[in-house]
Amino acid sequence: DAMVIQNPRYQVTQFGKPVTLSCSQTLNHNVMYWYQQKSSQAPKLLFHYYDKDFNNEADTPDNFQSRRPNTSFCFLDIRSPGLGDAAMYLCATSISSGPYNEQFFGPGTRLTVL
Amino acid sequence: GQNIDQPTEMTATEGAIVQINCTYQTSGFNGLFWYQQHAGEAPTFLSYNVLDGLEEKGRFSSFLSRSKGYSYLLLKELQMKDSASYLCAVSDRDYKLSFGAGTTVTVRA
Repeated sequence: DAMVIQNPRYQVTQFGKPVTLSCSQTLNHNVMYWYQQKSSQAPKLLFHYYDKDFNNEADTPDNFQSRRPNTSFCFLDIRSPGLGDAAMYLCATSISSGPYNEQFFGPGTRLTVL
Repeated sequence: GQNIDQPTEMTATEGAIVQINCTYQTSGFNGLFWYQQHAGEAPTFLSYNVLDGLEEKGRFSSFLSRSKGYSYLLLKELQMKDSASYLCAVSDRDYKLSFGAGTTVTVRA
C-alpha cells in the first residue's frame, strides 16, 4: 500500500545532542511537510518542500533544518534540541499545493529530550 | 495570523449524535478540512469543504458557511471507536493548512 513512513516512531535524545528524524513516501507526491505537535495543541507547520523548492515558516526556529535529497525522502534535523522541542513530529505529503490538497500523514515520531 | 477555534472536549453516548463547531479567521480561504486523530496516531482525512453547504459521507457530515467563517462536523450513530480528537484545518491563500487545537470526543457506553 502507498503510504507515508516515519522512522523512528520514538526517539530519545539528550539536551543539545543533534537528532535527525526521517520520512519517506511511496505516494510519489510533490509536496512534503513537517509539523510539530505538542500535547493537546494544533499541529504547527515548520516547513515544506514543493519538489526541491524549500519553504520555511517565518517562526520556525533556526535550530530546525530540513533536507529533501529526492522525491521519496525528507529529513528533519534538530541541531541542538532543547527541552521545549519535545513533541510529536508529523510528516505529511500532498500531490500538489493547489486546491483540495488533501494531506496524507505519517504515524509521527515522538521526540523526548532528556 | 490565523485563528481557528473549536471546543476542547465533548462527551456523548454511544448511538448519539455530536456536532463539533469550528470558527476561523484566516488570510485567504481555499477550503476547510476535518481530520480525525486517535491518541498517539497520525491525523487521517475525514472531509473537505470549499463551497457553502453540507457534505455527507456515511455517518459523518461536514458543513461550511464561508460568510460566517464557520464549519461543523456532525458525527451520527456514534461508536466507541469514534473516540478521538477531531481537527479543523483551513487551507489559506498559500494553500497551507492551519489547524485548530482539536476537539477530544469521548464516547461513553
